[in-house]
Amino acid sequence: GENVEQHPSTLSVQEGDSAVIKCTYSDSASNYFPWYKQELGKGPQLIIDIRSNVGEKKDQRIAVTLNKTAKHFSLHITETQPEDSAVYFCAATFSGYSTLTFGKGTMLLVSP
Amino acid sequence: GAGVSQSPRYKVAKRGQDVALRCDPISGHVSLFWYQQALGQGPEFLTYFQNEAQLDKSGLPSDRFFAERPEGSVSTLKIQRTQQEDSAVYLCASSLAGLASNPGETQYFGPGTRLLVL
Repeated sequence: GENVEQHPSTLSVQEGDSAVIKCTYSDSASNYFPWYKQELGKGPQLIIDIRSNVGEKKDQRIAVTLNKTAKHFSLHITETQPEDSAVYFCAATFSGYSTLTFGKGTMLLVSP
Repeated sequence: GAGVSQSPRYKVAKRGQDVALRCDPISGHVSLFWYQQALGQGPEFLTYFQNEAQLDKSGLPSDRFFAERPEGSVSTLKIQRTQQEDSAVYLCASSLAGLASNPGETQYFGPGTRLLVL
């Protein structure tokens, strides 16, 4: 079945450092790859997304890259701040169907 | 504007009880999704509605789980004869368009209902 693998499961960085989270997916027909941030007790919030016709997208300190050949995509956060601390989930849609399959999440801790 | 709301936020049930979880999607959103999120895991798809039609229920774990959206807006997820393994956060999400019209439409999530079955 469809599968999204996410690494690492936890990531600790110092404030100001960069953080990178990587995901791989199983279905070469996947065409939409969102990233969600989930804070404790809250629902996931979309922070950035990328579609299969684009290789990279950037929004201020956040960027996402997509390598369709290798079937992996990554989230890059630069100049991290303590308020970036949360669980981050990657997701993908499969075969053009918009129901999302999520990775298992990465707990990011940014220390002051 | 108002986002997706869910109620109750927390529910404690004794094993064997029935529970009903409510989702109010963003006004005008055609698509509504239910997900189950176990502790320390990512959300997993349960079921999908386009307006009042339940087009996909392939993720429902058993026939104890039932969802409806009779008027194409508010949705209820019902779990009958709850079991301990049903303990999880139940997330509702909505998106503006239907699945076929815009693959990759942004899904907006509610805060979830945390269900604990004792």
